Amino acid sequence: SQTIHQWPATLVQPVGSPLSLECTVEGTSNPNLYWYRQAAGRGLQLLFYSVGIGQISSEVPQNLSASRPQDRQFILSSKKLLLSDSGFYLCAWSAAGNTEAFFGQGTRLTVV
Amino acid sequence: QKEVEQNSGPLSVPEGAIASLNCTYSDRGSQSFFWYRQYSGKSPELIMSIYSNGDKEDGRFTAQLNKASQYVSLLIRDSQPSDSATYLCAVPYSGGGADGLTFGKGTHLIIQP
Repeated sequence: SQTIHQWPATLVQPVGSPLSLECTVEGTSNPNLYWYRQAAGRGLQLLFYSVGIGQISSEVPQNLSASRPQDRQFILSSKKLLLSDSGFYLCAWSAAGNTEAFFGQGTRLTVV
Repeated sequence: QKEVEQNSGPLSVPEGAIASLNCTYSDRGSQSFFWYRQYSGKSPELIMSIYSNGDKEDGRFTAQLNKASQYVSLLIRDSQPSDSATYLCAVPYSGGGADGLTFGKGTHLIIQP
């Protein structure tokens, strides 16, 4: 069966520090991969999606970036965090050609 | 830009009753519809998918789709305190689905023992 791993679960970072969140998927090949953010009191916002290695599409302009160095690995990064980057970051995957998406455990990021 | 609208609640339902959650969507061309359950502090969990008009039942859950009215609902029968959560409605950004889902803001459901 397929599983998705996301870490760390919680993170407290100072303003201006870098960020790297990692997500890996097991049990499937060539998945579609996604990064979402859920800010307090707001809905889920799609940040990035990827349909293959090195292929990244951004939905929202911001100081975040994403990379997909391997088929089942998706990384969310920032060079300098802002207070407004605080939120619950969720990685998700779907099978190619399928619209059902499955989420990882999430990372709760607090920028102080 | 596709929009998905849900009543934020809270929706309070006594234990054992039927909870009815509603969702409307803006894009008449949407073909896939999903319900996710999200417990406080946790990630969303897919509980129902529906693709055709009518009802789809899975255990205590029934999803209902009316494409003409652009309306999808989720019924939870014999509600349990463990059903207390936020329920998110979602549709794909595009037909293929590779570019992700757009979510409603969710309905907070409280099951009263």
